Amino acid sequence: QLHLQESGPGLVKPSETLSLTCAVSGGSIGRSSSYWGWVRQPPGKGLEWIGSIYYSGSTHYNPSLKSRLTISAVTSKNQFYLKLNTVTATDTAVYFCVTGTAFEAFDIWGQGTMVTVSS
Amino acid sequence: HSALTQPASVSGSPGQSITISCTGTSSDIGDYNYVSWYQQNPGKAPKLILYEVNNRPSGVPHRFSGSKSDNTASLTISGLQAEDEADYYCSSYRTTTTSHVVFGGGTRLTVL
Repeated sequence: QLHLQESGPGLVKPSETLSLTCAVSGGSIGRSSSYWGWVRQPPGKGLEWIGSIYYSGSTHYNPSLKSRLTISAVTSKNQFYLKLNTVTATDTAVYFCVTGTAFEAFDIWGQGTMVTVSS
Repeated sequence: HSALTQPASVSGSPGQSITISCTGTSSDIGDYNYVSWYQQNPGKAPKLILYEVNNRPSGVPHRFSGSKSDNTASLTISGLQAEDEADYYCSSYRTTTTSHVVFGGGTRLTVL
């Protein structure tokens, strides 16, 4: 059974970089036809897709975040990553790592990690 | 402002059926059968309950069904149960200048 676990700082200062890691167990991130991505949810609000990386390495980003965003993966570590530059308070959210075999359907989610942007 | 429009809340009594709508555009729901629905309980990660409009992942009860007409998708829950009380989100594949995913703002379902 595939399992995802997010990790990273819970507090980031404004204008700095938010960096998160998603550790994958129970399967390989190199498995064919799999998308690995990130979704966030500000406190009390709805879900927002951040972006995805395909097993082949191609990436797809939310147009509203693209200029600040990098999603990458290291197959040998079975991990993928999120880097969001120049954060502001509006980036405060629970960040989920997700996966699925379809671009737009995420059948496995991590438990989520809360990231607060504050000085 | 969410990319897809859902009602903020719906309610129903046990045993009844409810429908949650999700309205998009011709760049997403109207042009693709790539609509998904998620159920989220408080403090938990969302759970995929429907994909490609009306396909259920293994373990999701048949009471959950989906449909689509023009730019609007719908989730129907038949035989409502107390455990169905949760937040529900739709999502869709969208293409404009790039391919990406958009979510609805979410609907709180209350079982009376």
